[in-house]
Amino acid sequence: GAGVSQSPRYKVAKRGQDVALRCDPISGHVSLFWYQQALGQGPEFLTYFQNEAQLDKSGLPSDRFFAERPEGSVSTLKIQRTQKEDSAVYLCASSLGTGLNTIYFGEGSWLTVV
Amino acid sequence: QKEVEQDPGPLSVPEGAIVSLNCTYSNSAFQYFMWYRQYSRKGPELLMYTYSSGNKEDGRFTAQVDKSSKYISLFIRDSQPSDSATYLCAMSVPNFGNEKLTFGTGTRLTIIP
Repeated sequence: GAGVSQSPRYKVAKRGQDVALRCDPISGHVSLFWYQQALGQGPEFLTYFQNEAQLDKSGLPSDRFFAERPEGSVSTLKIQRTQKEDSAVYLCASSLGTGLNTIYFGEGSWLTVV
Repeated sequence: QKEVEQDPGPLSVPEGAIVSLNCTYSNSAFQYFMWYRQYSRKGPELLMYTYSSGNKEDGRFTAQVDKSSKYISLFIRDSQPSDSATYLCAMSVPNFGNEKLTFGTGTRLTIIP
């Protein structure tokens, strides 16, 4: 596709449920980032992949959060036993890895935990 | 205290006015500075990107960086209703082209026709 594609766009989960959020990066982009954006806040870094290698997961808020990119393309962010404080927009971004001006964001997956 | 501080607004100005948006930061290691625009229910899109102190102009937009004061600004000239959005400043430490971004809170801007 022409841009970064994320699915689902909107997800309502009951507290305690597991959720999986998918990101399809721009074709050929080796770098992939996940960010979390709470309402009224700026995005906050969660994790970063270079191809299939997860090089930085310092921003994952707890061990309930897990991300993978097994073939170096599509990535999945999984949240286990969701809590209300997990309600946020989860943004995926991909990049050629050659500079900050090559980073493109998807439209995000809006998660509401009730 | 957050590494990047940004006034959340909201900010409302009449069409045609000059808009000034600002951020301050505390981490001296930040070397790259960006401004993103985010429309409602959309992802951020890059507006301006710079890595040195001084001014950078692109059409109606001017980005200004003052590393000595740890202060960055975005100016929008001849503002249009289509400029109504949230503006996010972002910064990063050099990491061989794979820098993670630290964002400000975002300033919500409305241009009144």
